[in-house]
Amino acid sequence: DQQVKQNSPSLSVQEGRISILNCDYTNSMFDYFLWYKKYPAEGPTFLISISSIKDKNEDGRFTVFLNKSAKHLSLHIVPSQPGDSAVYFCAAPYSSGSARQLTFGSGTQLTVLP
Amino acid sequence: DVKVTQSSRYLVKRTGEKVFLECVQDMDHENMFWYRQDPGLGLRLIYFSYDVKMKEKGDIPEGYSVSREKKERFSLILESASTNQTSMYLCASRGDRAEAFFGQGTRLTVV
Repeated sequence: DQQVKQNSPSLSVQEGRISILNCDYTNSMFDYFLWYKKYPAEGPTFLISISSIKDKNEDGRFTVFLNKSAKHLSLHIVPSQPGDSAVYFCAAPYSSGSARQLTFGSGTQLTVLP
Repeated sequence: DVKVTQSSRYLVKRTGEKVFLECVQDMDHENMFWYRQDPGLGLRLIYFSYDVKMKEKGDIPEGYSVSREKKERFSLILESASTNQTSMYLCASRGDRAEAFFGQGTRLTVV
């Protein structure tokens, strides 16, 4: 059962507008969340993270919001650029066995239209 | 900068072949991971290792094994490749921080 869910497989946005990517989780013990960006034929690259003790973290055009009561986080990209077109994964670390692993959502394909 | 290097970008193998995917990291990370990425399924963990010679199964270990003889190197082995193992394979390493760093991926096609 997926502990981290991204219910929108794709999103299209006009250049310059805001992109909002959503992620829901089921495990209230998660203490940290991460967003990764992936281009085709490349590995994912870390984008931004947020600790569960915060409700917002901002880095340039990227802001992540966390709503713990709703078990929901979102990534906002403002303004969106064509180079932002990629698959975005949300992820959360959890302890299993002898190490902390990352569990990932299924990803959202963002397309920014020029 | 952390560098995680996978030995091949693209591989084509025949059904039944034994396949080795190699991964090397240069940051002295304790933890290394193998994922596969399939459309609509996200990244699924196959195996991980938290120390040399130590390994644990992830969510989908069937048909795979791993080897970690040195800290910097983590190998994924497909004992007898099958067509349902056609996928993008991603290696990652992680130190003390939560974020993992990924290699460029290996696109494996089994025919």
